[in-house]
Amino acid sequence: AQSVTQLGSHVSVSEGALVLLRCNYSSSVPPYLFWYVQYPNQGLQLLLKYTTGATLVKGINGFEAEFKKSETSFHLTKPSAHMSDAAEYFCAVSSNQAGTALIFGKGTTLSLSS
Amino acid sequence: GAVVSQHPSRVICKSGTSVKIECRSLDFQATTMFWYRQFPKKSLMLMATSNEGSKATYEQGVEKDKFLINHASLTLSTLTVTSAHPEDSSFYICSARKRDSSYEQYFGPGTRLTVT
Repeated sequence: AQSVTQLGSHVSVSEGALVLLRCNYSSSVPPYLFWYVQYPNQGLQLLLKYTTGATLVKGINGFEAEFKKSETSFHLTKPSAHMSDAAEYFCAVSSNQAGTALIFGKGTTLSLSS
Repeated sequence: GAVVSQHPSRVICKSGTSVKIECRSLDFQATTMFWYRQFPKKSLMLMATSNEGSKATYEQGVEKDKFLINHASLTLSTLTVTSAHPEDSSFYICSARKRDSSYEQYFGPGTRLTVT
């Protein structure tokens, strides 16, 4: 079984500040990990993903995440937040097993202040 | 690219009627499609997994007779909400997995269903 926990349903940062969104997972098989962003009334956009190989993955819009197996974590960071980053962020886990669906965390709302 | 479309994007229907939502993979063949439901300010809840040419696999607690899923071709899956009620109002999102991929999913833009 797989599950995802996103710590903090709301995160508020100032424009230009560091963004840190936390994600911890549970998986009985090697996980594939994803971060998605969702803007109001829109679908999901993939920010980045980890499957195998390098544990630090870079995504779009300046975001990156590091897979830490010992901590079962996959936190999302961005050095300098921009107003356009205000959105809902979802961490998700899957695996390489055929037919495995994505299991999503509850999401974190990122809000920005100028 | 890997584009997934949904139609309609918004639909309002009266209680008791049925609504069909289409999910299409526009530029790839999707052997597996997934249907999610998202309540306001909530995460995505997997409703069912749909494999082309076979019956959908529903998650626990999802009524298969109420949410009919058909995956008749490698580019089209449909979700029909039968005898809709106001509590079925939600944002429905589909995703599709390519034939040659074991994990990559591509999401549609979602369909906002409002039942009055």
